[in-house]
Amino acid sequence: TQLLEQSPQFLSIQEGENLTVYCNSSSVFSSLQWYRQEPGEGPVLLVTVVTGGEVKKLKRLTFQFGDARKDSSLHITAAQPGDTGLYLCAGTIGASGTYKYIFGTGTRLKVLA
Amino acid sequence: DTGVSQDPRHKITKRGQNVTFRCDPISEHNRLYWYRQTLGQGPEFLTYFQNEAQLEKSRLLSDRFSAERPKGSFSTLEIQRTEQGDSAMYLCASSLVISGANVLTFGAGSRLTVL
Repeated sequence: TQLLEQSPQFLSIQEGENLTVYCNSSSVFSSLQWYRQEPGEGPVLLVTVVTGGEVKKLKRLTFQFGDARKDSSLHITAAQPGDTGLYLCAGTIGASGTYKYIFGTGTRLKVLA
Repeated sequence: DTGVSQDPRHKITKRGQNVTFRCDPISEHNRLYWYRQTLGQGPEFLTYFQNEAQLEKSRLLSDRFSAERPKGSFSTLEIQRTEQGDSAMYLCASSLVISGANVLTFGAGSRLTVL
């Protein structure tokens, strides 16, 4: 059972367009991370959000953590071909003191020049 | 380089053979995780260790899979009697709690191809 659902699963857009990726769960997360992964490599951390309602910006990327800490979004402004990759949300679930860490289903983004 | 190291990066084996992957975490990280990832999908949780204790195992970790972290440092993931369905990228990560958030750092992965 996948506890973290991402949408859309695939996204192909033209350079300069904006996009939003969503990460949803029925579980509450103590923190949530977003990663980007290139083919043949491990995921690379983009951002960590901890507080419900938190918004973080990383250049053209804006990350938001839902008020109830069950969902998150990633918005990219003026996408560039270098943004192409697999975007993953992930977080720690379980009772206090446990650190099981799970990933979302992934969003594969392709930005065309 | 003090990142997470995985070895080998690529392994091609015949069905029925055993394979072992090694992961060397960041030295000050006490938690270590193993994941399996197939093409285009998010990584699937297999197991994690806190120091040398294996605290949780996924149902994906069948009897043919075993992971160890004998001294709380490096870890090994062994797959016995490999099947074609085991072909995947096996990712290792280690983690540290930073400002209340469990933050994982990943290795580059070990890609397994079972013929």
